[in-house]
Amino acid sequence: NAGVTQTPKFQVLKTGQSMTLQCAQDMNHEYMSWYRQDPGMGLRLIHYSVGAGITDQGEVPNGYNVSRSTTEDFPLRLLSAAPSQTSVYFCASSPGTANNSPLHFGNGTRLTVT
Amino acid sequence: GENVEQHPSTLSVQEGDSAVIKCTYSDSASNYFPWYKQELGKRPQLIIDIRSNVGEKKDQRIAVTLNKTAKHFSLHITETQPEDSAVYFCAASMRGNKLVFGAGTILRVKS
Repeated sequence: NAGVTQTPKFQVLKTGQSMTLQCAQDMNHEYMSWYRQDPGMGLRLIHYSVGAGITDQGEVPNGYNVSRSTTEDFPLRLLSAAPSQTSVYFCASSPGTANNSPLHFGNGTRLTVT
Repeated sequence: GENVEQHPSTLSVQEGDSAVIKCTYSDSASNYFPWYKQELGKRPQLIIDIRSNVGEKKDQRIAVTLNKTAKHFSLHITETQPEDSAVYFCAASMRGNKLVFGAGTILRVKS
């Protein structure tokens, strides 16, 4: 198993550009989530999904969209990038739910918005 | 609101000493409390977790304690080694199937 795969590893965007961060898992996990990591602020939940066709907002959803058309994939879309979205983004999946199972993280995407 | 407070933000210990990191949470419905370790430039990885029906759990040099009444839980690392140096995050499950993280503790083990 490859686990959780995120692409790209690095990305530089100009303010106002859009892009999609890709996340795929091959463990048949129902639960998937996106976090952003900023210095001194830990990992903050952006969006999450408990299964295909179901998504919900986390702590910091503004400026981001998600969809979950398959169990394997959970892409994160930035519609109009802003410098405040400069961060490291982690995708994570879990075999159960956030209430009872550990998260498996991808290697992260480092995004810079200029 | 839903939040997890973590202290201290940085911790320096001498090799062989113990390290303790403490977290408090706000949601009385929280029932799952994992701890993650993140080495520089790497992904967070689970090191231990505890559920609300258990007060303490141990795995070799690592232990976690939970006080549901006071809504706090702690990570204890004994006989620290240089390879324990990393950022440690606590987390707590929240209503609505969310996992909320603390801000992290930078642990430095000096040899």
